[in-house]
Amino acid sequence: EDKVVQSPLSLVVHEGDTVTLNCSYEVTNFRSLLWYKQEKKAPTFLFMLTSSGIEKKSGRLSSILDKKELFSILNITATQTGDSAIYLCAVANTGNQFYFGTGTSLTVIP
Amino acid sequence: DTAVSQTPKYLVTQMGNDKSIKCEQNLGHDTMYWYKQDSKKFLKIMFSYNNKELIINETVPNRFSPKSPDKAHLNLHINSLELGDSAVYFCASSQAGGLYEQYFGPGTRLTVT
Repeated sequence: EDKVVQSPLSLVVHEGDTVTLNCSYEVTNFRSLLWYKQEKKAPTFLFMLTSSGIEKKSGRLSSILDKKELFSILNITATQTGDSAIYLCAVANTGNQFYFGTGTSLTVIP
Repeated sequence: DTAVSQTPKYLVTQMGNDKSIKCEQNLGHDTMYWYKQDSKKFLKIMFSYNNKELIINETVPNRFSPKSPDKAHLNLHINSLELGDSAVYFCASSQAGGLYEQYFGPGTRLTVT
């Protein structure tokens, strides 16, 4: 069965801390891995990763994929209260099916 | 301009009723999806559909049926609503092939009483 597992399920940190969110997967016919941020409403896209070892970066957020070990990490440096959200990892297969993890709920305390 | 829109945003109804949620995308995408997000925030695929193929998650009860009048619309029809159907339902769209991100609608919060 195809699955995506995220850890930790929840995380509480103080502003300025650095956090690492994990995503492991077992998906047949892997095509890409995506990270989304969900605040109060719909998930919004952060990154798409298709190749191992190539870091994607956007401001304080970065992500990398390991296709051999079947996992990805999302790093957030110098966290801010606005980073508080649920972070979702999804894996797409070649059939255009997306499998989502349960998400990591991040709370950043001032 | 809203890329993916859903109506209604909130839906409160009684058990046993039949209801529909509409979804429209103006992105020209090939594939549309319906997801259910429960109280634990787990986002679960229900359907994916392009103009060639409907893929149904086998765990979805057959009371749920997608209806696509055209490429830009994928509506969700639910028969004989049950308490356990209460959730937030998200519509999404993407280009085909698994190399493109999904764009999500704002969600419809369904409450069954």
